[in-house]
Amino acid sequence: AQSVTQPDIHITVSEGASLELRCNYSYGATPYLFWYVQSPGQGLQLLLKYFSGDTLVQGIKGFEAEFKRSQSSFNLRKPSVHWSDAAEYFCAVGAGPFGNKLVFGAGTILRVKS
Amino acid sequence: SAVISQKPSRDICQRGTSLTIQCQVDSQVTMMFWYRQQPGQSLTLIATANQGSEATYESGFVIDKFPISRPNLTFSTLTVSNMSPEDSSIYLCSVDQGEYGYTFGSGTRLTVV
Repeated sequence: AQSVTQPDIHITVSEGASLELRCNYSYGATPYLFWYVQSPGQGLQLLLKYFSGDTLVQGIKGFEAEFKRSQSSFNLRKPSVHWSDAAEYFCAVGAGPFGNKLVFGAGTILRVKS
Repeated sequence: SAVISQKPSRDICQRGTSLTIQCQVDSQVTMMFWYRQQPGQSLTLIATANQGSEATYESGFVIDKFPISRPNLTFSTLTVSNMSPEDSSIYLCSVDQGEYGYTFGSGTRLTVV
């Protein structure tokens, strides 16, 4: 069974600073990896996903993530954080598209200070 | 990607009552998923719903407590039965769009008093 670890519960960064949110997964086969963002009182919005191919994935809102199989990681990055990026970020792993459930990490709450 | 309409968006219910949450998708999808997000926690899958068959429940969730209907390829309901304060959560439906990933509804914030 798959599992996801997001080791950082809270992260605070200054506006304009770079950001990296960590995600480690456990899965025996090729994982399908996702990052979602949830703003307060909102549903989940997909930032990016990795299925195969290029291990550096570009997403919406200027986010990117890099899949590193050797480290079982899928860390999310952004070069310059905006105050509107303050939200909770979830990493998730699935066994594949077409009907496989997602297993979510515990989430990382991002605070942006001006 | 698909657009999911979920309602109600929020509700406050008395303990012992039931609430039915609706999820409408603007396109046909084979599988729909229902998740629970307890306060301050991550998402946990309740069940997977296929059209025309019984839902498949995850460990710790039972049909008597969370009956699910899936009458067609665009609609599903989740009922939270005989509610207690511990059922206070956000409930979200999700659809699988294959290579485009999983899309989520905006959620139903339930408070049981």
